[in-house]
Amino acid sequence: DVKVTQSSRYLVKRTGEKVFLECVQDMDHENMFWYRQDPGLGLRLIYFSYDVKMKEKGDIPEGYSVSREKKERFSLILESASTNQTSMYLCASSFPQGGDQPQHFGDGTRLSIL
Amino acid sequence: QQQVKQSPQSLIVQKGGISIINCAYENTAFDYFPWYQQFPGKGPALLIAIRPDVSEKKEGRFTISFNKSAKQFSLHIMDSQPGDSATYFCAASRSGSARQLTFGSGTQLTVLP
Repeated sequence: DVKVTQSSRYLVKRTGEKVFLECVQDMDHENMFWYRQDPGLGLRLIYFSYDVKMKEKGDIPEGYSVSREKKERFSLILESASTNQTSMYLCASSFPQGGDQPQHFGDGTRLSIL
Repeated sequence: QQQVKQSPQSLIVQKGGISIINCAYENTAFDYFPWYQQFPGKGPALLIAIRPDVSEKKEGRFTISFNKSAKQFSLHIMDSQPGDSATYFCAASRSGSARQLTFGSGTQLTVLP
């Protein structure tokens, strides 16, 4: 079974802090994604990566950055956390587009910014 | 700009009934339409998917109906069960570097016993 592991289920941080969310997958997937999930808005793509050290902006990249130094690990960074970044963050991974490979999701990190 | 619009936001169905969730898209470049199911405390998981070259796809009690001319697709859950209670997301994607998904806003389905 594919496993996508997010380092924390719950995280509480303060405004202005630099926050790191970590995600690890064990299936040698090339693609990795970071989403945020908010009620009534569904899942919105923040950043994605299709290879090590490669990254592309999603729909809502402002205030975030990412790092992918190893194939299995994709980190989301909140450079200076703000209260409007309080949300559920979901990481996903997949093989390349051939065959319409599904995205496999972790169970999420619920982040609260105080 | 919401490229995939999903309705209803919430749905309550009696056990054994039919659950129907609708989605509409705007971008004609989309060529892959999956549905994801999410249980509380878990990440979404792929349920069923369709390409626009077919009008319907069925897997067990779950069916996707697709109307290319109307740019609409829907999920039908036949003989709904309490275990189907979850949040359902439609999504769409197009060919690209990583086939990123654009999700609908989600439908919270409750199936009453």
